[in-house]
Amino acid sequence: DTGVSQNPRHKITKRGQNVTFRCDPISEHNRLYWYRQTLGQGPEFLTYFQNEAQLEKSRLLSDRFSAERPKGSFSTLEIQRTEQGDSAMYLCASRRTGVNYGYTFGSGTRLTVV
Amino acid sequence: DAKTTQPTSMDCAEGRAANLPCNHSTISGNEYVYWYRQIHSQGPQYIIHGLKNNETNEMASLIITEDRKSSTLILPHATLRDTAVYYCIVRVGQTGANNLFFGTGTRLTVIP
Repeated sequence: DTGVSQNPRHKITKRGQNVTFRCDPISEHNRLYWYRQTLGQGPEFLTYFQNEAQLEKSRLLSDRFSAERPKGSFSTLEIQRTEQGDSAMYLCASRRTGVNYGYTFGSGTRLTVV
Repeated sequence: DAKTTQPTSMDCAEGRAANLPCNHSTISGNEYVYWYRQIHSQGPQYIIHGLKNNETNEMASLIITEDRKSSTLILPHATLRDTAVYYCIVRVGQTGANNLFFGTGTRLTVIP
């Protein structure tokens, strides 16, 4: 079990640029989640995949955000035309189906939009 | 999912038990209580969860009141590494919303 891996750890981009983050979940976990966390707040849910299907999206996920999970393995989160308000920590989590399985989170990607 | 209320911050002396309270007065019968913690610059870490019985694992104990309207997370011998933000979350287990609602949590500082 190598845990949930997220890349890059840090990203600085200019306003208006596109960015893409990658998440590699634990291999046997079929569920994958993206969260966003701003300073002083708890993580907020963005979207969720079961295998390759994106089953739920938060209102926070504007049209500039898109997430994919091809083949039900790794996932990418893309933000187009970044804004300063997008600056945050983006967290990925995975888990197995079932109430007795907790979420395993990655260490996150910290995005700074300048 | 029911919302929770936690104190904003707490201190605990190293080696003593840390007791972190959580109120969830609107919890439904099929909602579980989960605890996660987040150490600075890391992702949240699962600690423990329960439905109505008290639970214990290698990290902590979870005490849930009989009416299930509140719970307490107990770290029996707090160390400096337990300094973190602790989140109490209630959610339906298998069939409800699949996301976790974190709130702002309790910032626990373990003092040497």
